[in-house]
Amino acid sequence: KAGVTQTPRYLIKTRGQQVTLSCSPISGHRSVSWYQQTPGQGLQFLFEYFSETQRNKGNFPGRFSGRQFSNSRSEMNVSTLELGDSALYLCASSNGQGGEAFFGQGTRLTVV
Amino acid sequence: AQSVTQLDSQVPVFEEAPVELRCNYSSSVSVYLFWYVQYPNQGLQLLLKYLSGSTLVKGINGFEAEFNKSQTSFHLRKPSVHISDTAEYFCAVTRGGTYKYIFGTGTRLKVLA
Repeated sequence: KAGVTQTPRYLIKTRGQQVTLSCSPISGHRSVSWYQQTPGQGLQFLFEYFSETQRNKGNFPGRFSGRQFSNSRSEMNVSTLELGDSALYLCASSNGQGGEAFFGQGTRLTVV
Repeated sequence: AQSVTQLDSQVPVFEEAPVELRCNYSSSVSVYLFWYVQYPNQGLQLLLKYLSGSTLVKGINGFEAEFNKSQTSFHLRKPSVHISDTAEYFCAVTRGGTYKYIFGTGTRLKVLA
């Protein structure tokens, strides 16, 4: 069974640009959640989607948005990038019935 | 609201020695508890989970953890560590029905030869 796939693995963007990150969950999983990991703030929850509906949202500005498609794939978008958005963005996939989430390798975003 | 405290930011230990990584949580509702491991430039790998039932949980790679409701703790243990266990370990909590995990700040385990 293939794991969670995140693309791209690495990304360099300029301040003020926007970026879209993609996550393909494990086959059959309908829930996708996103996390930001930085050395200063640690692992912070961004959003959770289940069957194309946002179920939970973390405390991030409106520049951070996400969506989930009918095939459960998810994207997150960050507009007007700031230097502080440099982080490892992790996607996690689950069956939506409680229990554990399975994480992808992450996308390392660097904003210069 | 839930919160998680990992009491040690770094734990050095010699190879083949036992180790305990501490995790305390707070929550006003029943929670699910997890330990994840992260190797450099990698995502998170699930070590073990407590959802309900037996308070002693066994995971992969010889790790185990004990859920203690009265102490609100979920400490991770391994009787004999290997060099390959060097990594960062995260304790996480969530309530049932959601994948909004609250993570601790992580513990860097460094196994010394």
